[in-house]
Amino acid sequence: AQSVTQLGSHVSVSEGALVLLRCNYSSSVPPYLFWYVQYPNQGLQLLLKYTTGATLVKGINGFEAEFKKSETSFHLTKPSAHMSDAAEYFCAVSPPGDDMRFGAGTRLTVKP
Amino acid sequence: DTAVSQTPKYLVTQMGNDKSIKCEQNLGHDTMYWYKQDSKKFLKIMFSYNNKELIINETVPNRFSPKSPDKAHLNLHINSLELGDSAVYFCASSQIPTAYGYTFGSGTRLTVV
Repeated sequence: AQSVTQLGSHVSVSEGALVLLRCNYSSSVPPYLFWYVQYPNQGLQLLLKYTTGATLVKGINGFEAEFKKSETSFHLTKPSAHMSDAAEYFCAVSPPGDDMRFGAGTRLTVKP
Repeated sequence: DTAVSQTPKYLVTQMGNDKSIKCEQNLGHDTMYWYKQDSKKFLKIMFSYNNKELIINETVPNRFSPKSPDKAHLNLHINSLELGDSAVYFCASSQIPTAYGYTFGSGTRLTVV
């Protein structure tokens, strides 16, 4: 069975600093991997995804993530945080043909 | 032109009541889902429907029943509401395969008093 672990339930960075949100997964087959963002009182919005091909994927709002099979990781990064990035971020895994499982979420706070 | 729409957005009700939450998607997706998000933001899948067939039921109490009149709609009916049912409920839809990800509605905040 697949599972997702997000390291750190809360990450705080200063505006302009690097954002790094960690995600590790377990899956018996190569999975599809996703990052979603949830702004307050809103639904989840897809940030980026990895299915096949290039292991570094770029998403919306300047975010990117790198799939590292040897480390079973899919960490999310952004070079320079903006106040508008403050939100809850969810990593998710979906083996082909199976439903999507979400991590517990990481709340990102951006300090001025 | 909302892709996945849920109604109502807020629902406050008393214990023991029966309530329904409606969901509609205009994306032509094959599968629809219901997720429950608790106060700690944890997302738990409740149901999914593919071509009117229930394909997942994650140990959800039978007080919860999904109803899908057609491919574009998946409603959630809850009987005999309990305090522990208070949460935010999200509807989502996807194509098959799920490589494209899910599209979520904006959620229904259910408060049972």
